[in-house]
Amino acid sequence: DIQMTQSPSTLSASVGDRVTITCRASQSISSWLAWYQQKPGKAPKLLIYKASSLESGVPSRFSGSGSGTEFTLTISSLQPDDFATYYCQQYNSLWTFGQGTKVEIK
Amino acid sequence: EVQLVESGGGLVQPGGSLRLSCAASGFTFSSYWMSWVRQAPGKGLEWVANIKQDGSEKYYVDSVKGRFTISRDNAKNSLYLQMNSLRAEDTAVYYCARDVRAWGQGTLVTVSS
Repeated sequence: DIQMTQSPSTLSASVGDRVTITCRASQSISSWLAWYQQKPGKAPKLLIYKASSLESGVPSRFSGSGSGTEFTLTISSLQPDDFATYYCQQYNSLWTFGQGTKVEIK
Repeated sequence: EVQLVESGGGLVQPGGSLRLSCAASGFTFSSYWMSWVRQAPGKGLEWVANIKQDGSEKYYVDSVKGRFTISRDNAKNSLYLQMNSLRAEDTAVYYCARDVRAWGQGTLVTVSS
């Protein structure tokens, strides 16, 4: 089974900050990685698929990079609506999710 | 528009059973693998099971093997999750998903006496 290790688990930041979240796979998943944003009581919302492809309608301040086993999600300038929990997911072999990163107001 | 609508959640006693359903529309259901994902209260996302287009292949997370059964009815554009021998740790919101781009809104399953 492929394990996904996401860090940090919590991140305190201010509006306008550049934020980076990292996800590491236990084995190569090529580029079969997605990033989601989730707010309380809501289903996860897809931000990035295939490691770096921006989902339609998602603001361009979100970007993804990486391949193989190391991936990052970057928010170039944090906005008030971005305070949420973020998850990575591999879909190379079955599905596995990272533990999540809660982005809090500093 | 792609739509996935889960139903069948509720309160059930430990050891009991429940069957979740997911009604799909807006795409050719029979052409896609389908999955169930769950999220316990205050916890992260956990993939539960998935099923091939024709139902010939099914995979489960270890914690539900032997207790949960995923199935589908392509004629009814529906996905199911039969959950038996339920435990308190199965309490979660259960999401039906087509792929990374299409998820339902979830249905809550609470296992408690």
